[in-house]
Amino acid sequence: EVQLVESGGGLIQPGGSLRLSCAASGFSVHSDYMAWVRQTPGKGLEWVSVIYSGGTTYYADSVKGRFTVSRDTSNNTASLQMDSLRVEDTAIYFCARALYCLTTACYRGVLDPWGQGTLVTVSS
Amino acid sequence: EIVLTQSPATLSLSPGERATLSCRASQSISSDLAWYQQRPGQAPRLLIYDASKRATGVPARFSGSGSGTDFTLTISSLEPEDFAVYYCQQCTNWPPWTFGQGTRVEIK
Repeated sequence: EVQLVESGGGLIQPGGSLRLSCAASGFSVHSDYMAWVRQTPGKGLEWVSVIYSGGTTYYADSVKGRFTVSRDTSNNTASLQMDSLRVEDTAIYFCARALYCLTTACYRGVLDPWGQGTLVTVSS
Repeated sequence: EIVLTQSPATLSLSPGERATLSCRASQSISSDLAWYQQRPGQAPRLLIYDASKRATGVPARFSGSGSGTDFTLTISSLEPEDFAVYYCQQCTNWPPWTFGQGTRVEIK
């Protein structure tokens, strides 16, 4: 079964750091695209970052220079290192596979599956 | 950045009724559009990709249509488990692959 499980969320003070992990089963994070998406009541769903199978990374302007996406093939995990956290980074963070493949074609950016999400609260 | 506008914000319907949800893009995105369903306390779930193709395991009552800038998600006959929030998302270019603000389908 293809599955993603996030961990690492919690309460952190502004300016602090947090590392989120996303453990994958049923596929290899190294061979796929992995994305992070966050959700807040006020702003809905927002793309945060993606790492392609070749290693290329992209970030939303709101997190560029502060967040770093990576993957660890030894334990089949994707990670999001979040530094210089701000109050506005408070959200539920989801990881998701971002390459939906069938026998005939692959669709970049289509998110499936998603992890269950982990809550990050930035507050003093 | 491509902006997706969903309408209506809330749709109040009864079980068995037909639901029609709209998503409009600020510029042409061909058929690079996906739809997701999110139930309370759960992660979003992929329903439709490439504007009109149902994801694996998605019931046939869900259908998607459109291309360019105007897209529609139709639920032919609402089941109790379909009352949820629905999001569209464009996958045409990074950065970023933006989402619409969502349409809530609630029980009338």
